[in-house]
Amino acid sequence: QITLKESGPTLVKPTQTLTLTCTFSGLSLSASGVGVAWIRQPPGKALEWLAISYWNDDNRYNPSLKNRLTITGDASKNQVVLTMTNVDRGDTATYFCAHSQWQRGFDYWGQGTLVTVSS
Amino acid sequence: YVLTQPPSVSVAPGQTARITCGGDNIGSKSVHWYKQRPGQAPMLVVYDDSDRPSGIPDRFSGSNSGNTATLTINRAEAGDEADYYCQIWGSGGDHDVLFGGGTKVTVL
Repeated sequence: QITLKESGPTLVKPTQTLTLTCTFSGLSLSASGVGVAWIRQPPGKALEWLAISYWNDDNRYNPSLKNRLTITGDASKNQVVLTMTNVDRGDTATYFCAHSQWQRGFDYWGQGTLVTVSS
Repeated sequence: YVLTQPPSVSVAPGQTARITCGGDNIGSKSVHWYKQRPGQAPMLVVYDDSDRPSGIPDRFSGSNSGNTATLTINRAEAGDEADYYCQIWGSGGDHDVLFGGGTKVTVL
């Protein structure tokens, strides 16, 4: 059984750096074809892909946010960490992590964590 | 590259709902569909255009050709009321992953 769970701060001040951790079980980040992604959803809005860490240590980013994001996969800890620098109110959203195998859709998702950016 | 979905679709119980996802030559890509109910994480309902994960009823089906992919919900039920998103990989630009804007399905 694959499970993923997001953790991190619920409130962040503008200009600060946000660090989110996805901790998973039932899957190995080093297994061929595995990708773990971060996806967010502002309140009442659509899903937006942020970044993905692949089993082969390849990391990809949404080009519109690339300069602010870093994704790090740690297979030994069963974690994928996302950092986002210089946050602003537009980054207020529920942040999800999700698993994919050979890019056949995201078949397992965490419950999501709501992050509010406010002073 | 942009994936275009209608903002809303209405369907009567027992009838068929069709949700479209438009994109340039989307028929050459694999399309995945998600259902999201309020306050919940998205759930994969169709992958690779027309395959269903285990546990997804066969009332859900998908197709993809030309510039339009379609998710079809047959015999709509109250529990199908949700937001639905299409998604592709490798849009041809820098996006590894791209989502459509979502469609709110209302079962009247």
